[in-house]
Amino acid sequence: AQKITQTQPGMFVQEKEAVTLDCTYDTSDPSYGLFWYKQPSSGEMIFLIYQGSYDQQNATEGRYSLNFQKARKSANLVISASQLGDSAMYFCAMRESHNYGQNFVFGPGTRLSVLP
Amino acid sequence: DGGITQSPKYLFRKEGQNVTLSCEQNLNHDAMYWYRQDPGQGLRLIYYSQIVNDFQKGDIAEGYSVSREKKESFPLTVTSAQKNPTAFYLCASTTGPSSGNTIYFGEGSWLTVV
Repeated sequence: AQKITQTQPGMFVQEKEAVTLDCTYDTSDPSYGLFWYKQPSSGEMIFLIYQGSYDQQNATEGRYSLNFQKARKSANLVISASQLGDSAMYFCAMRESHNYGQNFVFGPGTRLSVLP
Repeated sequence: DGGITQSPKYLFRKEGQNVTLSCEQNLNHDAMYWYRQDPGQGLRLIYYSQIVNDFQKGDIAEGYSVSREKKESFPLTVTSAQKNPTAFYLCASTTGPSSGNTIYFGEGSWLTVV
């Protein structure tokens, strides 16, 4: 079963507008972490934002914020004031603990295109 | 500068050959990971290592091998047993609990079978 679901294969947003990228997750681990990464066409994976399962407040990093709804198991990324340079693939990821340490599971990604 | 260095950036392999992708980190991270990414897809875990001289298979370990003789180094060998090795390979390492155990990546290696 998919542990990380990103239901939007592609999204378009007008420059300077806000956009929400969806992510839902599935885990039975009470302690977990949720991450968002940006992957431009060059291939590098750029860390954007982190939310711990016990964090009471939603994480924010500059123009990025994470809308964490624990009961719904959702961790949507909100990008405010979109810029042309935000066009990229975006991956949601979850950190889980298990017998051999920690593992990170990634969703299939959402391709964001920012329109001028 | 601290970071994760992968080499080579681009690699071409003939069918039947083994190739080794290098991954070095100077972040003093304990855990290291190898992921494979096919075009338009997400990341799939090949192998990971939590400490030196120990590593575990991920979801798609068949046809790959690793070693972890030093904390800084986690090379990946793509063997001739891997039937479809053409892909983008990402090495990663993780910080400690005080930083949320965030996973950081190298710049990746593109492997093409010719």
